[in-house]
Amino acid sequence: AQRVTQPEKLLSVFKGAPVELKCNYSYSGSPELFWYVQYSRQRLQLLLRHISRESIKGFTADLNKGETSFHLKKPFAQEEDSAMYYCALKSNTGNQFYFGTGTSLTVIP
Amino acid sequence: DSGVTQTPKHLITATGQRVTLRCSPRSGDLSVYWYQQSLDQGLQFLIQYYNGEERAKGNILERFSAQQFPDLHSELNLSSLELGDSALYFCASGPGANVLTFGAGSRLTVL
Repeated sequence: AQRVTQPEKLLSVFKGAPVELKCNYSYSGSPELFWYVQYSRQRLQLLLRHISRESIKGFTADLNKGETSFHLKKPFAQEEDSAMYYCALKSNTGNQFYFGTGTSLTVIP
Repeated sequence: DSGVTQTPKHLITATGQRVTLRCSPRSGDLSVYWYQQSLDQGLQFLIQYYNGEERAKGNILERFSAQQFPDLHSELNLSSLELGDSALYFCASGPGANVLTFGAGSRLTVL
């Protein structure tokens, strides 16, 4: 069965420190992985997707098929990064999306 | 604007009542997804429609139902409401460019 796991519900880091939000998945196929972000009082929006292999707002995420992980990383956290982050998996049949339970990131000034 | 419109933005009602949440997808998107977001459960998938037909069901209670109309807008009906149904309900449409586009959500408060 498809599953996305974000083990940390809450994560606090100091400004300027590196940050890593963990995401593990289980899927019997080749998934598409995404990170969505929800800033305070705003709607969820796409942050990045693994097939783009791009850096958005300094964040990167690498799909590790061996470890079935898609961790989100940023070398130097900023206060404006404080938000709720959701890891999501899209199945390659039926266009279904599965979300993790989310990690609330707080960057301490 | 993301193109996904949800109404109402806020709704306060009493236990036992019934409410309807409405979603208009982004132009060109045929799929509509409904999610429930609560503090302790995160983002829970409820149901997906594609071009008027139910495509997938998630953790949707029997008291809840949804449908997608010929003009592709969707409605989520919540009945016999309980305090625990208080949450933010998101609609998303897609997959345009293979991703989901979310609406701003409808915040339901059950008193």
